[in-house]
Order: sequence, then structure tokens, then C-alpha cells
Amino acid sequence: KNQVEQSPQSLIILEGKNCTLQCNYTVSPFSNLRWYKQDTGRGPVSLTIMTFSENTKSNGRYTATLDADTKQSSLHITASQLSDSASYICVVSARTGTASKLTFGTGTRLQVTL
Amino acid sequence: DTGVSQDPRHKITKRGQNVTFRCDPISEHNRLYWYRQTLGQGPEFLTYFQNEAQLEKSRLLSDRFSAERPKGSFSTLEIQRTEQGDSAMYLCASSLAVGQGAGETQYFGPGTRLLVL
Repeated sequence: KNQVEQSPQSLIILEGKNCTLQCNYTVSPFSNLRWYKQDTGRGPVSLTIMTFSENTKSNGRYTATLDADTKQSSLHITASQLSDSASYICVVSARTGTASKLTFGTGTRLQVTL
Repeated sequence: DTGVSQDPRHKITKRGQNVTFRCDPISEHNRLYWYRQTLGQGPEFLTYFQNEAQLEKSRLLSDRFSAERPKGSFSTLEIQRTEQGDSAMYLCASSLAVGQGAGETQYFGPGTRLLVL
């Protein structure tokens, strides 16, 4: 069964600090991995996407890494801001014919405080 | 704003009533997906359309649920005889798939939050 596990479940950090979120997956055959940011009460918004051959991708203060051998990914947030408070969801896509099958993690709830 | 809109944003209904949600995807997108998300969980796949054809349905989609995309543009999701367990956020996403492509980026709408009393 395809699964995506994220840790920690929740995290509180001070504004300006860095943090790293983890994602482990067992999805086969692997197509790509995305990190989404979901603000409370809103739909998820894509931050980064990585395919099998990519091991790092940046989007501003967000840097995602991928180790396809160990099936692990991380999302590093630099110099956090209050607006970074949200859920961060790791989403892995399986290459299953014509269907874009996504397996979602349960997310890491990040709270950035003063 | 991703360009995908959903209506209504919130719906409160009594158990046993029928509800219908609408999703307007990004206009040139050929695929449209419906997901359900409960508190503290990631979205769960319900069904998806390629143009007007409904190509896949999850086992989560009981016979009380029906989705349509009659003209390959907007889509509706209807829940009949709602139950308290149907309370969740219903998310719509759209994507542009080329050929048999898999793994294209899905753009999510803001969701419709349903509360069944």
C-alpha cells in the first residue's frame, strides 16, 4: 500500500528561525514528490516538485531535498515568517498509467510565533 | 488564488438532506479531481474526470455520492442523504494532462467546508 509519513506532526518556532520538516514514503512506481502549503481553511498550494533525478529544489526561503534511494524528503524553511504558519503536506505521485495518483501525507502543522 | 474556484465555501445542513457543490477549474485544464479532507488529515482522493469522462472513483465514493462534469468544464459533486460522517472539507483540483501523462501539477481550489448536523 502506498503511504506517506510526515514528521513532526506539529512544530512551533520563533520568527526568524529555521526549521526542517521530514517526509518518508513508500510509493511505487515513483513519479514525483511535491510539497504543498495549506493555510487554514484553504486549498493546498504547490511549493516545490521533484522528480526521481532531482535531489534539491528551492523556492525562495523553501528548499526541498529528495533521496530516492532511502525514499525520504525534507523541506527546509529559512528565516521563518509569521505567514509561514500553515500545514505543510508532502505529496507523492505514482506513475500509474493514465491516472495521476497522489498519496498525501497527513501534514506538519507549523506555527511561527513572535 | 490558483484559478480554481469552488462554491459554496461553507455549507451547513441537517442529516438526511442533499447537498451539491460546484467546482470551476482553470479553463484550459482537461482533468478535474475531487478530494475529501478531514481535520488533521491529508486530502483523500474521491474521483477524477478527463474532460467529461469520469475515469476513476475511489471506494470512498459511496452510492450516496455522485459527480458530474457534463461539458468538460465545471463539475458538481452531490451528496444525497447526508450523514454526520460526511462533514469534511471537499477540495477540487484541476490539471492539464498531456497524452497519457501522469504526475502533472494539480491546482487546488479553496474547498467547500461541509458540516452535517
